[in-house]
Amino acid sequence: EAGVVQSPRYKIIEKKQPVAFWCNPISGHNTLYWYRQNLGQGPELLIRYENEEAVDDSQLPKDRFSAERLKGVDSTLKIQPAELGDSAVYLCASSLKGWSTEAFFGQGTRLTVV
Amino acid sequence: EDKVVQSPLSLVVHEGDTVTLNCSYEVTNFRSLLWYKQEKKAPTFLFMLTSSGIEKKSGRLSSILDKKELFSILNITATQTGDSAIYLCAVGTNYGGSQGNLIFGKGTKLSVKP
Repeated sequence: EAGVVQSPRYKIIEKKQPVAFWCNPISGHNTLYWYRQNLGQGPELLIRYENEEAVDDSQLPKDRFSAERLKGVDSTLKIQPAELGDSAVYLCASSLKGWSTEAFFGQGTRLTVV
Repeated sequence: EDKVVQSPLSLVVHEGDTVTLNCSYEVTNFRSLLWYKQEKKAPTFLFMLTSSGIEKKSGRLSSILDKKELFSILNITATQTGDSAIYLCAVGTNYGGSQGNLIFGKGTKLSVKP
C-alpha cells in the first residue's frame, strides 16, 4: 500500500516568491493534516481537513498561506509571498478518521527561502 | 494553552543501554497520546495510548500512560545504533465532540553510539 506522498521533496526559492506543496494521502483516509516543523522543534499544525472541509485552520497564517483539498483527496498548500521565516519542513499526514486511528506522515518538503 | 513537554531534549547512550524518554502534558479534552520516531523526515508511528496503566510493547520498545499524573514514558531496552532518532510525543484532543488536533512536543534526540 502506498503511503502519504508529498512533492517536491526540496524547494529553494527567493523571498517574496510563491511556492506550492502537494500531498496525496493514503487511499480512504478522511483526515488530512498539514504541519510545519522548524529545526529542533516538534511539528506544528497548520490546517486539518475532514474530507474536503477545513475543520481547523486557526494556526494557518491566512495573509500568506492558503490550502485546499478538492474532492477530499489530494491537497495543496501554498505560500504567497514567501518570507525568510517560512523556511522549514512541511509535513502532510493522513488518518482514517482523526486521532482515533494512527496517523501516517509523508516524507515532507524542505523549504528554504533565501 | 495546551502543551506537551518532553525530556530530556537530547540523550547520548552506548549500545546495549536502556533509556527512558519522558512526556508530560497539559491539555483540555485529552483523547490519546502517541509516540513517533523521526529519523529523517517522516515521523513513523510507534504507539497510541488511551488508557492508564496498560503497557504497550513492540520488540525492545514499550510505553505506558499515567492519566492521573499526566505523563507517559517510552522505554527502549538494549539500544542499537538504529534506534538513533528523534522521538516525538503527541497528544490527541477531543474538540466539540469530534476529533480534535494532535499537539506535538519538541522531541527527544537520541544518539546511540557503538
